[in-house]
Amino acid sequence: DAGVIQSPRHEVTEMGQEVTLRCKPISGHNSLFWYRQTMMRGLELLIYFNNNVPIDDSGMPEDRFSAKMPNASFSTLKIQPSEPRDSAVYFCASKEGQGDSPLHFGNGTRLTVT
Amino acid sequence: QKEVEQDPGPLSVPEGAIVSLNCTYSNSAFQYFMWYRQYSRKGPELLMYTYSSGNKEDGRFTAQVDKSSKYISLFIRDSQPSDSATYLCAMSASLQGGKLIFGQGTELSVKP
Repeated sequence: DAGVIQSPRHEVTEMGQEVTLRCKPISGHNSLFWYRQTMMRGLELLIYFNNNVPIDDSGMPEDRFSAKMPNASFSTLKIQPSEPRDSAVYFCASKEGQGDSPLHFGNGTRLTVT
Repeated sequence: QKEVEQDPGPLSVPEGAIVSLNCTYSNSAFQYFMWYRQYSRKGPELLMYTYSSGNKEDGRFTAQVDKSSKYISLFIRDSQPSDSATYLCAMSASLQGGKLIFGQGTELSVKP
């Protein structure tokens, strides 16, 4: 299995631009999570889906952030408009079921907003 | 106050040393405790998982949970340069939904 696949690996954009991050979870995993990692705040949960349905989006910082999961094999995290303080590494993770199966992370998208 | 506190380090030790990494937490509802290892420019990967209090050993790694003190530890014996990474503790009150709260991570460097 290729693991959780995220694209792009790096994104550099100017303030005000729209940014879309993409994630393909591991096949068969029915829970998907978006995390953001910064030096100051560490790894923070933004939103998670179960069976393609958003369950908890309390970590989404502002209305500028939105996430979708149109099907079991694809999710997007969109930031519009982007701001310099959104610069971070964004991780997608997936897991099988709702029990103690481990969370599998992708290698992240490093976003820089200038 | 953060729910989970972890010293970010960096921590530098010689090869072969015993490493002790720690986290404290404030939410007494946490029942599930994990340690993740994150290599540079990679996503975190699960290293150890413990439910409730007690010890768990896996090779050179031992995880300890003391719920009465709200304190968890990860020990690495005979540390190797390949152990150089950032170690993040994570915890959850319930695995239903899987909402994990992470510590900030401790950067470890093992020198040959």
